[in-house]
Amino acid sequence: EGQLMESGGGLVQPGGSLRLSCAASGFSFSSSWMSWVRQAPGKGLEWVANIKQDSFEKYYVDSVKGRFIISRDNAKNSLYLQMNSLRADDSALYYCVRETQTPLGFPNWYFDLWGRGSLVTVSS
Amino acid sequence: EIVLTQSPATLSLSPGQRATLSCRASHSVSTSLAWYQQKPGQAPRLLISEASNRATGIPPRFSGSGSGTDFTLNISSLEPEDFAVYYCQQSGDWPPITFGQGTRLEIK
Repeated sequence: EGQLMESGGGLVQPGGSLRLSCAASGFSFSSSWMSWVRQAPGKGLEWVANIKQDSFEKYYVDSVKGRFIISRDNAKNSLYLQMNSLRADDSALYYCVRETQTPLGFPNWYFDLWGRGSLVTVSS
Repeated sequence: EIVLTQSPATLSLSPGQRATLSCRASHSVSTSLAWYQQKPGQAPRLLISEASNRATGIPPRFSGSGSGTDFTLNISSLEPEDFAVYYCQQSGDWPPITFGQGTRLEIK
């Protein structure tokens, strides 16, 4: 079935940086598109970024473009999110998420495996 | 950007009743829509993809329908464990992938 485990969250001052990591196990990580999805306290879900299996395609929500960088290391079964120039409205629980594929192996960009999340708090 | 609007914001029903949740897209997403369930303190769980395909392990009381801009999640007979927040999500026109704001299903 698989498992995802995030780490690296914490308290950071506005303008600061943080790097989230996600360790994947129990499935073929190198065959999966991966995403980060966040949820501010008491709020809804917001997709942040995703990355193709070979890292050649990466996409971001407008609010984080130029500040966040998604990356992966298939040899280590790991996904990363480098977050720079953090703002108060970036405060959220950040989920590492696997994206679905059709039976023929084409991506269809739903989310079928979620980690437990890593909490990021941006505050002075 | 595709905006998804869910209604109602809160739905109060009793166990055994039928629940109908709505998700409307600002532009057509064909059938590229999913539904998720989220319970307090837990990550979301995929229920339905491609508008009507139940995910692995999801009981048949959950069903999805719709295409284009109007979608519905039905729960035929509510069990106590079904009371949660439900989100729709589109992948028909991205980036960005977008979610609805959620419908809270609460016990009446």
